[in-house]
Order: sequence, then structure tokens, then C-alpha cells
Amino acid sequence: GEDVEQSLFLSVREGDSSVINCTYTDSSSTYLYWYKQEPGAGLQLLTYIFSNMDMKQDQRLTVLLNKKDKHLSLRIADTQTGDSAIYFCAESRAKDDMRFGAGTRLTVKP
Amino acid sequence: ETGVTQSPTHLIKTRGQQVTLRCSSQSGHNTVSWYQQALGQGPQFIFQYYREEENGRGNFPPRFSGLQFPNYSSELNVNALELDDSALYLCASSSPIDRAVEETQYFGPGTRLLVL
Repeated sequence: GEDVEQSLFLSVREGDSSVINCTYTDSSSTYLYWYKQEPGAGLQLLTYIFSNMDMKQDQRLTVLLNKKDKHLSLRIADTQTGDSAIYFCAESRAKDDMRFGAGTRLTVKP
Repeated sequence: ETGVTQSPTHLIKTRGQQVTLRCSSQSGHNTVSWYQQALGQGPQFIFQYYREEENGRGNFPPRFSGLQFPNYSSELNVNALELDDSALYLCASSSPIDRAVEETQYFGPGTRLLVL
């Protein structure tokens, strides 16, 4: 079946940039997403990108997509302690279900 | 505009029992999807409802069933609970007005189910 993979942990210092990476296998993916989950909470949509784009920037967030390599990344500039959370990469086709990675736990040290 | 809400927030059941979880979609959203998130894992798609009909299903057995009501709220029912059903159950709503444009799903806070 189709898979979405992420590294499990990332630790950065406050003020540094964080880069969270994701790979996926489904070549028919149309939408790719980044969600944030804080302890005990549901998922918060951070940003998304269409598969025909290679970059999207939204304030401190930059998403890069390499469709050929099926690689997606999320860069958080000037990372703050409030950014500590689990970040999920997800992909979907034109409708219906989304497939999520297992999540990357980002720890921001002061 | 209200967000996605779910009830209850927590639930404890025993093996073999049945459970019903509820979700109210975000205002204006007519599509509801349900996900199961086991501890330490990403959410897994259970099924989706669009205009009161099932519109797609993941790899879950028939004892997982759902309903969507005319006001677009939804229920997830799980029969014959097993220990492995212990998880956070997430509901997400969206509004695919035009399938050619983006469809972003907005998630509720989830219901945490513990099966003993």
C-alpha cells in the first residue's frame, strides 16, 4: 500500500530553523499537508501544497516539494518553544482519505 | 463560525461492548471523515460521509460503522470492542464545493477511547 514516512524526532535550539522531512510513495497524490498536534489535542492544519507546486511560503513556514523524489519538507524559521509539538505529513488524492505519517516530535530547547 | 466538536472527550469501555462517538462538523461543511489514531502513530482513515452517504472507507472491519445526519453531524459506532480499539478517534470536516479546488480538512479535538 501507499506509505508516508517521517523521522520520529527532531531537536533544535530556540531561534534556529527546523526542517522536518517526509517521503511518500503514492505518485497520484494531489495534495500534501502539514499538521501540528500538541499534547492532548487534535490536529491543526498548518499548511498544504498542491502536487503541481514546488514551494509554498506562509509567514515562518516554507514547504518544499520534490515530486520526482516524492519528498516533502517543512521549514520553520526562528523556531520558538511554542512550536514544540508533533508534526504530521499527510497526502491525499483528489478526494476522500488522507494518509498520514507517524509524526515527527519537534523539541525546541531554550 | 464554530469549529469541529466531538463528544465525549474520554470514554472507558470493556471488551465486547459497543460505543458511539459523536461529531459536529464545522459550520458550512457537508463532509465528515473519521480517523483512528493509536498511541504514537499517525491517524488512520476509517471512512468518510458526504451528504449522508458513505463516500469512501479505509481498511477497517464492518464492526466500525457510521451515520451522517441532515445537519451534517456524524456518529461513529464500534461494535464488539477489542483491546486494540483503544485510540484517539478524530473527526474532520470539509466542504468540497468544487472537486477541482483544494479540500482541506479541519479536525476536532478527538475522543480518547480506552478498552479494558
